Amino acid sequence: GQQLNQSPQSMFIQEGEDVSMNCTSSSIFNTWLWYKQEPGEGPVLLIALYKAGELTSNGRLTAQFGITRKDSFLNISASIPSDVGIYFCAGRLGNTPLVFGKGTRLSVIA
Amino acid sequence: GAGVSQSPSNKVTEKGKDVELRCDPISGHTALYWYRQRLGQGLEFLIYFQGNSAPDKSGLPSDRFSAERTGESVSTLTIQRTQQEDSAVYLCASSLALGLAGGTDTQYFGPGTRLTVL
Repeated sequence: GQQLNQSPQSMFIQEGEDVSMNCTSSSIFNTWLWYKQEPGEGPVLLIALYKAGELTSNGRLTAQFGITRKDSFLNISASIPSDVGIYFCAGRLGNTPLVFGKGTRLSVIA
Repeated sequence: GAGVSQSPSNKVTEKGKDVELRCDPISGHTALYWYRQRLGQGLEFLIYFQGNSAPDKSGLPSDRFSAERTGESVSTLTIQRTQQEDSAVYLCASSLALGLAGGTDTQYFGPGTRLTVL
């Protein structure tokens, strides 16, 4: 099925570093969501964005809804070991189910 | 609890057997979704329900897959004559509504059922 382009696929960073990942789509969306999945668990919603240009923070996490409505990014500042996991972006337009990216696997080296 | 629950958490079956996976959504959520996640992969959308109806079944991988929902609550995903390529984690999610703005379509996921077909 349709998927978003999410990058990078994986990241290895040192504890304390900032992280940035993004998603792009060939079509416009009116909703962008960012989820985190830890081993053996289902994805958990981190941030939801509903308006082009919207910038939203949740603790050390910041996400933006791109002005073109075709992209979104997620930043994590001052990473810590518990940030390890797979981060998924998801988007949708109108009355359709979410489309998910393939995920960014984050590893944090203490 | 208040979240989405799924059962069983793990299922090991032999090739050719049928399996049934269950999802209990958050109470009051009218929309329910099933996804498949193969090892190390992203989420593959299978089917969604608005109430007890599934408007689009085209995401189901084959006619061996079927799903139903009753009472705008519990949903079951059935896989008949399982094959080894069916091995994956099957995730269920629910949302307050579908297609409305303001967060009502935000999906909340269950922990998944890990299916292993030998």
